[in-house]
Amino acid sequence: DGGITQSPKYLFRKEGQNVTLSCEQNLNHDAMYWYRQDPGQGLRLIYYSQIVNDFQKGDIAEGYSVSREKKESFPLTVTSAQKNPTAFYLCASSMEGPRTEAFFGQGTRLTVV
Amino acid sequence: QKEVEQNSGPLSVPEGAIASLNCTYSDRGSQSFFWYRQYSGKSPELIMFIYSNGDKEDGRFTAQLNKASQYVSLLIRDSQPSDSATYLCAVKSGNYGQNFVFGPGTRLSVLP
Repeated sequence: DGGITQSPKYLFRKEGQNVTLSCEQNLNHDAMYWYRQDPGQGLRLIYYSQIVNDFQKGDIAEGYSVSREKKESFPLTVTSAQKNPTAFYLCASSMEGPRTEAFFGQGTRLTVV
Repeated sequence: QKEVEQNSGPLSVPEGAIASLNCTYSDRGSQSFFWYRQYSGKSPELIMFIYSNGDKEDGRFTAQLNKASQYVSLLIRDSQPSDSATYLCAVKSGNYGQNFVFGPGTRLSVLP
């Protein structure tokens, strides 16, 4: 079945650690996105990528890094520079063009312990 | 700054009633408009999209778009308790390198 797979579903991070969230899609979509959602809030864009080996910062990129070495994969690293990383992280993908919707993975809930 | 605004709610309606959800956007270049439903702790799922002015119906859902007023709405007829969720309005602009801008969401509660 086609879709977007995020892993892990739950992740715990110690202070000062970097952690990487995985996002893989088999929909052959060019565009991929990472969003952060805090309780009771909407989605805020962290990074996005329209093609392989290229990505752009979103509204809240500080403390995060990404790579796009393959079309199917867009991992997100939450670095120790991100001071308040506890949140629900959502990966999405879409076909190129204005009239195309975003498809979401099941999300990763990150908690700092 | 591109912005999408929604009433945060909660919006409470009795079972069987019509729920009306509203969204306004600031970017006049916006071309595509989406409504996502998100249950607590889950990821958003697409329920409607609309590109042209007017109404678009799909089952119990009707999306309405007025580009002159920069306004998009979602009507849910015969509301069911299973419709209780947060509804996110999303807007997409341009042809390349553009993103989805999401509103903060409206929490809907359908009372049995």
